[in-house]
Amino acid sequence: QLQLQESGSGLVRPSQTLSLTCDISGGSITSGGFSWSWIRQPPGKDLEWIGHIWHSGGPNYNPSLKNRVTISLDTPENQFSLDLKSVTAADTAVYYCARCSGWLVDYWGQGIFVTVSS
Amino acid sequence: DIQLTQSPPSLSASVGDRVTFTCRASQAITMKLAWFQQRPGKAPRSLIYAASRLQSGVPSKFSGSGSGTEFNLTISSLEVGDFTTYFCQQYQAYPPTFGGGTRVDI
Repeated sequence: QLQLQESGSGLVRPSQTLSLTCDISGGSITSGGFSWSWIRQPPGKDLEWIGHIWHSGGPNYNPSLKNRVTISLDTPENQFSLDLKSVTAADTAVYYCARCSGWLVDYWGQGIFVTVSS
Repeated sequence: DIQLTQSPPSLSASVGDRVTFTCRASQAITMKLAWFQQRPGKAPRSLIYAASRLQSGVPSKFSGSGSGTEFNLTISSLEVGDFTTYFCQQYQAYPPTFGGGTRVDI
């Protein structure tokens, strides 16, 4: 059974970079046909797609966040990462990593709450 | 972006009830609509994809229907573990978007 687990700092200062990692177990990041995604949910708001990356290709980002986001793979460690720079309070959210078939999410991590505050 | 509106935001029901709730899209998304169950503090669970196809291992009490802009999720007989939140996702257009969820209260 595929499992995804987010990790990283739960508190980030404004203007700094939010960095999260997703560890994959029960499957390989090199599995064909799947992409690896980050999704977030600010308190009281809907889920928001951040972006995704294919093992065999480059990343794609939500245009609303494109200038601040980097998603990368660490194949030897079987994990992928999210960097979101120049954060503000509006970036406070539960951040989820996920596996996708195309743009369809099929497995989610349980999420990690990140607060942006001084 | 395609907006997804779920209704109702919440509903009250009893064990054994049949419930149906709706996800409406701001434009036609053919059949590229998925449903998820989300329990507090847990990873969301995939239930339905392609509007009506059951994910492997999901009990048949869950069913999806609809096309175009209106989609439904039905739970035929509620059990205690089903009292939680459900949300939809469209994967027709980029970026994929999600509905705001329907909470099922006991």
